[in-house]
Amino acid sequence: EAQVTQNPRYLITVTGKKLTVTCSQNMNHEYMSWYRQDPGLGLRQIYYSMNVEVTDKGDVPEGYKVSRKEKRNFPLILESPSPNQTSLYFCASRCTGCGYTFGSGTRLTVV
Amino acid sequence: SQQGEEDPQALSIQEGENATMNCSYKTSINNLQWYRQNSGRGLVHLILIRSNEREKHSGRLRVTLDTSKKSSSLLITASRAADTASYFCATDSSQAGTALIFGKGTTLSVSS
Repeated sequence: EAQVTQNPRYLITVTGKKLTVTCSQNMNHEYMSWYRQDPGLGLRQIYYSMNVEVTDKGDVPEGYKVSRKEKRNFPLILESPSPNQTSLYFCASRCTGCGYTFGSGTRLTVV
Repeated sequence: SQQGEEDPQALSIQEGENATMNCSYKTSINNLQWYRQNSGRGLVHLILIRSNEREKHSGRLRVTLDTSKKSSSLLITASRAADTASYFCATDSSQAGTALIFGKGTTLSVSS
């Protein structure tokens, strides 16, 4: 089944403790992207990647890092999480000119 | 940067009625896409319409695109309670390297 898998689904962590949210897709898509979704603000793009080793900042990249060493994986790294990064995160991938396939989301709480 | 703006923000209808949502955007696009999101879940791609297309159908969904007005509409005909969800438009810009930009969504509530 074609899908985007992100883990974990839920995560509660403390301020400053580094964490990684993994994302993997099995569709050989070139484009991958991370979004965060907050009430009243909609979906905002954090980072995106057009291909392996090519990543670019989205609208809200501060406090996040990504890497794209392989086509299928696009992890999101929070080096020092803060409470304002509490959010619902989505990873997504797509082929050129196609719609996105989204992961199921990661609900992150930073206390 | 917000590109798409959906209208209305919220819509409540009865089962069997049609639901129309609108999306306006600011810059030129390659295509425009509509997504559905059930509460707290991932978005599901519904339909993609290219900039050279004016109308597209998929089941009970009808999407129109007016590039001169920079607007699109999503019509759901004969709505069902299961259509209750948030609907987002997203634009794929002409600028190289720019990924999809989403609007804030329309929340549709269909009551039986």
